[in-house]
Amino acid sequence: EVHLLESGGDLVQPGGSLRLSCAASGFTFSSLTMSWVRQAPGKGLEWVSTVAGSNGDTHYADSVRGRFTISRDNSKNTLYLQMNSLRVEDTAVYYCAKDRWGSSGWFKDYWGQGTLVTVSS
Amino acid sequence: DIQMTQSPSTLSASVGDRVTITCRASQSISSWLAWYQQKPGKAPNLLIYKVSSLESGVPSRFSGSGSETEFTLTISSLKPDDFATYYCQQYNSLPPTFGQGTKLEIK
Repeated sequence: EVHLLESGGDLVQPGGSLRLSCAASGFTFSSLTMSWVRQAPGKGLEWVSTVAGSNGDTHYADSVRGRFTISRDNSKNTLYLQMNSLRVEDTAVYYCAKDRWGSSGWFKDYWGQGTLVTVSS
Repeated sequence: DIQMTQSPSTLSASVGDRVTITCRASQSISSWLAWYQQKPGKAPNLLIYKVSSLESGVPSRFSGSGSETEFTLTISSLKPDDFATYYCQQYNSLPPTFGQGTKLEIK
């Protein structure tokens, strides 16, 4: 059974940093693409970043490029999101998601329960 | 970026009703569209991919159709468990983008 467990969410001041983790189990983590998707309070879903399983290529939303870094440790079956220069508008629940390749791109077939990041002074 | 627009934003319906949610893309996305269901305080759950392919374990009362820029999610006969928010997502090109969501409420 696929299981994704996020951690690391916290209250942080604007300009601060935070690292989110996502522990994965139940599938061959090293070969599969993984993503982070966020949801601001009362709002919709926003894709944040993706790291490919095959070659480690990374992709970022314009809103976080240059501030956030996605990475993975295949030996630990863990996905990370390093978040720097945090802004109030980064406040959201951050979901880790397992991607499935759909010929042209990825859709998310499993999601973690989410971890809340609050950016406020 | 490809914009995804869902309608309606809110839909009120009763148990047993047949309901349809529409998702429009700002440009052609061929058949690369997924639908998710999200309940309050929970993570989204994949329902449908490639427009009409039902994810394993998803009840057959859910179905999807469409192509290019216009797509629909239909629930043939609403169950109490179906009242939730639904999102479409295109995966034709990066960045993947979601619709703003359709909240399905009990009438």
